[in-house]
Amino acid sequence: AQSVTQPDIHITVSEGASLELRCNYSYGATPYLFWYVQSPGQGLQLLLKYFSGDTLVQGIKGFEAEFKRSQSSFNLRKPSVHWSDAAEYFCAVGAHSGNTPLVFGKGTRLSVIA
Amino acid sequence: EPEVTQTPSHQVTQMGQEVILRCVPISNHLYFYWYRQILGQKVEFLVSFYNNEISEKSEIFDDQFSVERPDGSNFTLKIRSTKLEDSAMYFCASRRLAADGGELFFGEGSRLTVL
Repeated sequence: AQSVTQPDIHITVSEGASLELRCNYSYGATPYLFWYVQSPGQGLQLLLKYFSGDTLVQGIKGFEAEFKRSQSSFNLRKPSVHWSDAAEYFCAVGAHSGNTPLVFGKGTRLSVIA
Repeated sequence: EPEVTQTPSHQVTQMGQEVILRCVPISNHLYFYWYRQILGQKVEFLVSFYNNEISEKSEIFDDQFSVERPDGSNFTLKIRSTKLEDSAMYFCASRRLAADGGELFFGEGSRLTVL
């Protein structure tokens, strides 16, 4: 069965500092991987996704993520965090075939301080 | 830009009452989903729906839950007799194709509070 682990429940960074949110997945084949962001009281917005090809994917709002098969990881990064990036971030894994639903991690809450 | 819309945004109900949450998926999408998120916890899959029938459901989706696509545009989640533990944010999602593992487009959620 698929599973996603986000080891960090809460991270605080200073505005302008770099950010890395960790995501590890468990899946028997090549997965589809996603990062979603959720602002307070809002729905889930897709930041970026990995299906195949280049293992470094670029997303919206200056985010990027790197798929590392050997480490079963798909960490999210941003070189310089803005106060508006404060939100909950969810990593999710999906299957290549069929209608298997996405499985989400528990999320990492990002706080940004001045 | 097309989007998934959900109503109501917030519903408060008494325990034991029936609740219907409504969703309008993106018009050319074929696969529909309900997820829920209990406050402070992760997003959990409830059910997927394709070709007018349930294609997969989780153990959370017991006999109290049902889904329907009554008119070709709406996609509803019914909770027959709500319990306190049903209090959560419920997200509807849709996607165009499954074969390419297409991304899910989520609505903004319906917050259900059961008293």
